[in-house]
Amino acid sequence: DTGVSQNPRHKITKRGQNVTFRCDPISEHNRLYWYRQTLGQGPEFLTYFQNEAQLEKSRLLSDRFSAERPKGSFSTLEIQRTEQGDSAMYLCASSLKSADEQYFGPGTRLTVT
Amino acid sequence: SQQGEEDPQALSIQEGENATMNCSYKTSINNLQWYRQNSGRGLVHLILIRSNEREKHSGRLRVTLDTSKKSSSLLITASRAADTASYFCATGGSYIPTFGRGTSLIVHP
Repeated sequence: DTGVSQNPRHKITKRGQNVTFRCDPISEHNRLYWYRQTLGQGPEFLTYFQNEAQLEKSRLLSDRFSAERPKGSFSTLEIQRTEQGDSAMYLCASSLKSADEQYFGPGTRLTVT
Repeated sequence: SQQGEEDPQALSIQEGENATMNCSYKTSINNLQWYRQNSGRGLVHLILIRSNEREKHSGRLRVTLDTSKKSSSLLITASRAADTASYFCATGGSYIPTFGRGTSLIVHP
């Protein structure tokens, strides 16, 4: 399977714990996006990388959230001191620099208890 | 805030019927995209229409774009039970698309 993959698919954590998610984009894609989606809503943009550079971050991305893409390949999204409001589906997508179409991974569903 | 807003929020039809959903947006765009999301899964890109295009087809999908009215429509012809999903429009003014809340389509076999 050469699509976008995300791990883990599900994560249940207690409030206050830190969690980290991983996204492996399609290999030749140099753009990588993170979104958050809650029930009944569309994906909300969190942050965007072009190669290893993080070019834009949403105001939704509080200082408890950090994302990296160290070698311009896979990316990680870390949430520190999780809160119940962080419960959501976290989606990763990738695209070519020259194209607008995004390819999404299956998402990581986070539940904070 | 979400720029693209889909209408209706929910649509229920019988297999074989056509399904039409609409998207309205507020600011100028370079392109508009439609995505499908099956329950609890990631999004799948369906079709992209650029601001200088008025209509585009892909299989059973037909998308129109009216930039003067800031609206787009997605028509699915001869629907199938497998088309049951949520459909989102995403407006692209830059390289970051903005998604609406989606239309939930149920196709009854």
